[in-house]
Amino acid sequence: RKEVEQDPGPFNVPEGATVAFNCTYSNSASQSFFWYRQDCRKEPKLLMSVYSSGNEDGRFTAQLNRASQYISLLIRDSKLSDSATYLCVVNIGGGYQKVTFGTGTKLQVIP
Amino acid sequence: DVKVTQSSRYLVKRTGEKVFLECVQDMDHENMFWYRQDPGLGLRLIYFSYDVKMKEKGDIPEGYSVSREKKERFSLILESASTNQTSMYLCASLAGSSYEQYFGPGTRLTVT
Repeated sequence: RKEVEQDPGPFNVPEGATVAFNCTYSNSASQSFFWYRQDCRKEPKLLMSVYSSGNEDGRFTAQLNRASQYISLLIRDSKLSDSATYLCVVNIGGGYQKVTFGTGTKLQVIP
Repeated sequence: DVKVTQSSRYLVKRTGEKVFLECVQDMDHENMFWYRQDPGLGLRLIYFSYDVKMKEKGDIPEGYSVSREKKERFSLILESASTNQTSMYLCASLAGSSYEQYFGPGTRLTVT
């Protein structure tokens, strides 16, 4: 089983829709969780950290479910500019080399 | 703003050549990383460095070496390039107190 798994998509959604992605992780000792965004042919950039209590940043909400070992990202009122690949990132613990990236979920917002 | 730059956006090399990829960051970060990104495999850590002259192997170090002689510069070396090293190479840096990695624009390397 992969350490971090994501549905590759693509998720094709109309503008204004709400879309959610999940990411599962296999190591129950994982400590830190993040969502990165990667535009086509660009480098990944941090979108948001995921806290145990969940966190919200505008139209974006991230949640952590430790019992089921997954994190989620919810995007409300999708914009064309949200089209990108969303990478789930998990810190397994034990140092920076233990940061594991998922393979990403591709989102395409269509007019 | 943190800036991470990589020496080339696109590179084409022949099998057996020695290849140098350079990365420079301007924020005095202690930690620097080299990843490769391949479709369906995501980002995989090749090497990282937590200080000048210090390096640690990542998940896929075979066929690669690194050099960090100055804090701002982290070089990835392909000793003898092979076709299976055709990939997108991404450099990243982060401050010691953070988990946010800042990535360079990437180098797309093709080995023929």
